[in-house]
Amino acid sequence: DAGVIQSPRHEVTEMGQEVTLRCKPISGHNSLFWYRQTMMRGLELLIYFNNNVPIDDSGMPEDRFSAKMPNASFSTLKIQPSEPRDSAVYFCASSPPSRAGSTEAFFGQGTRLTVV
Amino acid sequence: DQQVKQNSPSLSVQEGRISILNCDYTNSMFDYFLWYKKYPAEGPTFLISISSIKDKNEDGRFTVFLNKSAKHLSLHIVPSQPGDSAVYFCAASGRAALIFGKGTTLSVSS
Repeated sequence: DAGVIQSPRHEVTEMGQEVTLRCKPISGHNSLFWYRQTMMRGLELLIYFNNNVPIDDSGMPEDRFSAKMPNASFSTLKIQPSEPRDSAVYFCASSPPSRAGSTEAFFGQGTRLTVV
Repeated sequence: DQQVKQNSPSLSVQEGRISILNCDYTNSMFDYFLWYKKYPAEGPTFLISISSIKDKNEDGRFTVFLNKSAKHLSLHIVPSQPGDSAVYFCAASGRAALIFGKGTTLSVSS
């Protein structure tokens, strides 16, 4: 099984540019999550989808951030325009339909974003 | 305000000894708790979990304890090995997305 696939692994961009991060969840999983990891805030939830529908986007920091899930096998996180404080590692994760008492999420390897 | 707190940013332990990582939570609606392990340049990987109806779950060298009245859980690693050196994240769920703590960096020296 390929696991959760994120691209690119590394992205360096100039302030003001648009950045698009991509994610392919594990086949059969119906929930998808975007997290951001920073030293100050740890792993913070940005948004999550269930059956391709955004359920909770309260963690999206600003209107500059947007996320889409056009189908069950693809999601994007876009930052427009990007700022230096957006520099972080962005993780995508997916989880299967919930079994009673189990909501384990499987993570991709992350995208390290640097905005200069 | 953080709902899941890991108050120790780092922990150093000698090989063979016990490692104890702690986690506190504030939301009494959480009913499932997990520990993840993360190596540099990799995504977090699931380690062990516990349902709120239990107070202990064991898997090999790893044991998670849950104290619901104190809203506290801990991860015990016995014996600790150098390969256990990583960042450990505590997470909690209330049937929605996982909420993570900031992580504790464990260093196991040989």
